[in-house]
Amino acid sequence: DGGITQSPKYLFRKEGQNVTLSCEQNLNHDAMYWYRQDPGQGLRLIYYSQIVNDFQKGDIAEGYSVSREKKESFPLTVTSAQKNPTAFYLCASRSRGTLQRPQHFGDGTRLSIL
Amino acid sequence: AQSVTQLDSQVPVFEEAPVELRCNYSSSVSVYLFWYVQYPNQGLQLLLKYLSGSTLVKGINGFEAEFNKSQTSFHLRKPSVHISDTAEYFCAQINSGGSNYKLTFGKGTLLTVNP
Repeated sequence: DGGITQSPKYLFRKEGQNVTLSCEQNLNHDAMYWYRQDPGQGLRLIYYSQIVNDFQKGDIAEGYSVSREKKESFPLTVTSAQKNPTAFYLCASRSRGTLQRPQHFGDGTRLSIL
Repeated sequence: AQSVTQLDSQVPVFEEAPVELRCNYSSSVSVYLFWYVQYPNQGLQLLLKYLSGSTLVKGINGFEAEFNKSQTSFHLRKPSVHISDTAEYFCAQINSGGSNYKLTFGKGTLLTVNP
């Protein structure tokens, strides 16, 4: 079955360390998204990419970086500049074109600070 | 800027009771609205969407929502809930400008169904 795979499911970061969250999709979707979820705050967009080798900042991009070298993959790096990284991170993808096609979500990665 | 307001952060109900989860959206020329459900430690699953046409939208798991332009609302309803409906529910709106289809989410409503 096609879907979005996020790994790892749980991740721990030490102070001053960069960590990378993986997101892979086999849905042949063009667009991919990263969201951060905090309790009581809903989902906030970090970065998104509509095509390979192109991405744009979302609403809370500071302290994060991404790459989009392959259509299937959109890894997110949480850098040491992100002072409050503890959150649940969700990756999503969608096929470009009409609005009939909604975003599909992975099962998330929970990041905690040691 | 677009904003989506979910009026209740928590809604406790008893099993087999009806439920309504309230959502207000930003008025715009073109309005595209969605409801997603999230079970603990999982991603989001699409319940239903409104893009155009009939204002009453039916989704999965017996849920439905009504688009009300005059009240800028898109409330989610179910006539009889089950324990398994316990989850967090998110209302979302697509930014109508541009072609990037960015979703703006509400802060979520935690539905707890008690026996």
